[in-house]
Amino acid sequence: DIQMTQSPSTLSASVGDRVTITCRASQSISSWLAWYQQKPGKAPKLLIYKTSSLESGVPSRFSGSGSGTEFTLTISSLQPDDFVTYYCQQYNIYPYTFGQGTKLEIK
Amino acid sequence: EVQLVQSGAEVKKPGESLKISCKGSGYNFTTHWIAWVRQMPGKGLEWMGIIYPGDSDTRYSPSFQDQVTISADKSISTAYLQWSSLKASDTAIYYCARRNPLDWYFDLWGRGTLVTVSS
Repeated sequence: DIQMTQSPSTLSASVGDRVTITCRASQSISSWLAWYQQKPGKAPKLLIYKTSSLESGVPSRFSGSGSGTEFTLTISSLQPDDFVTYYCQQYNIYPYTFGQGTKLEIK
Repeated sequence: EVQLVQSGAEVKKPGESLKISCKGSGYNFTTHWIAWVRQMPGKGLEWMGIIYPGDSDTRYSPSFQDQVTISADKSISTAYLQWSSLKASDTAIYYCARRNPLDWYFDLWGRGTLVTVSS
């Protein structure tokens, strides 16, 4: 299986901050990476696919970059609604593995 | 409306069997792979397996192979996840998710089914 490692596991920040979450794959996954946001008690929601493509309806403050084995999710100016958990997922090879998640906390 | 509607919460005893469902509507269910994802209490997302309802081609994560069975009935646009003998460690929320046919990410999710296994 391809291992996906997110860092940090927890990130403390303030409203208006710019933050970056990193996701590393144990082998190359080309650009086949997605980012999901999960609010408490809710299903995950797609934010970004194919590393950097923004899903329709997702605010432009979210952006993604990377290729191969290293990827990032950046939120340019944190809003109160953004303090939840984020997961990366590779969909290059079965099984489509997820990162362990990054919880964004209010500082 | 394009959606995946999952069956309701279940409370079962260890050793019991269970089959939960995920019904697609508003799109061609037959031509979109459906995956199952586990989320244990307070934990992250785990990809369990995926099925193509058109021909029931199924792939499992090695971690879940022989632990669960994924199936689908395309005539009623429904995918299933089943256990023959539940364990307490199967307590989790189970999500179904639709794979985008062009780019293979999960573009549509069900709300999840909470399965509680307790004696």
